[in-house]
Amino acid sequence: AQSVTQLDSHVSVSEGTPVLLRCNYSSSYSPSLFWYVQHPNKGLQLLLKYTSAATLVKGINGFEAEFKKSETSFHLTKPSAHMSDAAEYFCVVSPGDDYKLSFGAGTTVTVRA
Amino acid sequence: DSGVTQTPKHLITATGQRVTLRCSPRSGDLSVYWYQQSLDQGLQFLIQYYNGEERAKGNILERFSAQQFPDLHSELNLSSLELGDSALYFCASSHPRTGRSGANVLTFGAGSRLTVL
Repeated sequence: AQSVTQLDSHVSVSEGTPVLLRCNYSSSYSPSLFWYVQHPNKGLQLLLKYTSAATLVKGINGFEAEFKKSETSFHLTKPSAHMSDAAEYFCVVSPGDDYKLSFGAGTTVTVRA
Repeated sequence: DSGVTQTPKHLITATGQRVTLRCSPRSGDLSVYWYQQSLDQGLQFLIQYYNGEERAKGNILERFSAQQFPDLHSELNLSSLELGDSALYFCASSHPRTGRSGANVLTFGAGSRLTVL
């Protein structure tokens, strides 16, 4: 069985300050992990993925995530938030079968000017 | 534009009715997935097709059905609609790769927003 817990349902940051979105997972297998972003009235877009290579994964738009097996975490960070980062972010785990994706509940990010 | 096309973008209908949502996958992708996103349930996997055949079923109601056609487009049929079926329905597609299939990246469409009154 697998599951994903996004520890914050809502994160508010000021423009130019760091963003941290927390994700813990559980999986019986060595998982693949993803972060997707959903802007208002848009579909989900892949930010980055971890597939057992480097534990620090760089994605688009300056985001990166670190896989920590000992902590079963895959937190997403960005050093400096931009207004365009306001969106909902989903952490996703897959044990190896491409259909068995488990989505977290999502974290809504608001960016204050 | 992700390359995954969903129609219609918005649909308003009444309880008891039937609707069909359509999805054209990204060029070259053989797998199509359907997801339902609602405020109370979050993102729920409904069903997956691979090259015309059903591959996996998730939390899909018996009132719902889907198929993937030879040209790889897919349709999701929702019947005997209830108020609770109001949601955003996403289609996603992926291309099979060798190695760990779990690393497949899903490309999502913009969704079809269904409102049942």
